[in-house]
Amino acid sequence: ILNVEQSPQSLHVQEGDSTNFTCSFPSSNFYALHWYRWETAKSPEALFVMTLNGDEKKKGRISATLNTKEGYSYLYIKGSQPEDSATYLCAPFYSNYQLIWGAGTKLIIKP
Amino acid sequence: DAGVIQSPRHEVTEMGQEVTLRCKPISGHNSLFWYRQTMMRGLELLIYFNNNVPIDDSGMPEDRFSAKMPNASFSTLKIQPSEPRDSAVYFCATGTNNSPLHFGNGTRLTVT
Repeated sequence: ILNVEQSPQSLHVQEGDSTNFTCSFPSSNFYALHWYRWETAKSPEALFVMTLNGDEKKKGRISATLNTKEGYSYLYIKGSQPEDSATYLCAPFYSNYQLIWGAGTKLIIKP
Repeated sequence: DAGVIQSPRHEVTEMGQEVTLRCKPISGHNSLFWYRQTMMRGLELLIYFNNNVPIDDSGMPEDRFSAKMPNASFSTLKIQPSEPRDSAVYFCATGTNNSPLHFGNGTRLTVT
């Protein structure tokens, strides 16, 4: 059974502060890593797909890095805003077509 | 592109009835996933298809659940007979091997 761990489980951050959280995953047969943002009562929304070791992607104030050799990815949010409050899910995709979801990090931005 | 289209948006039915959920993927997407979201278990993968072929259906709860993808532009998830514990939001998501998944708006199923 492939185990994907996200930490922390939840996070309270003051508006304006920067933050980051982690996704750890088995690296064997790894193909790509997906990050999603999921707001309550909405559908998950894709943020990034990364495949290469050392990859770094950026979308506005959000960026992510990938280490495929040791099996982890970091998601960074710079200058948090209330609209960043959501659950952030990572999901590594493997060469046997398996997409395994982490339990998510629930981010709450305090105004 | 209209995105992934799911229907109906809401379904309320009585225990024992058959329920059919529908999904139209984004054109060109060759992978299709059915997920169920519940408070207790979060996002659960039920089944996924690649090029219309079911690859992994180990997440399907029991024989009452079945899914089909007769062609690249349509998939159904059927529950027969439905039970109150099937109440959840069911998401369809599609993508390609090199792209993120695009989720539909979900079908909120309530079985009374």
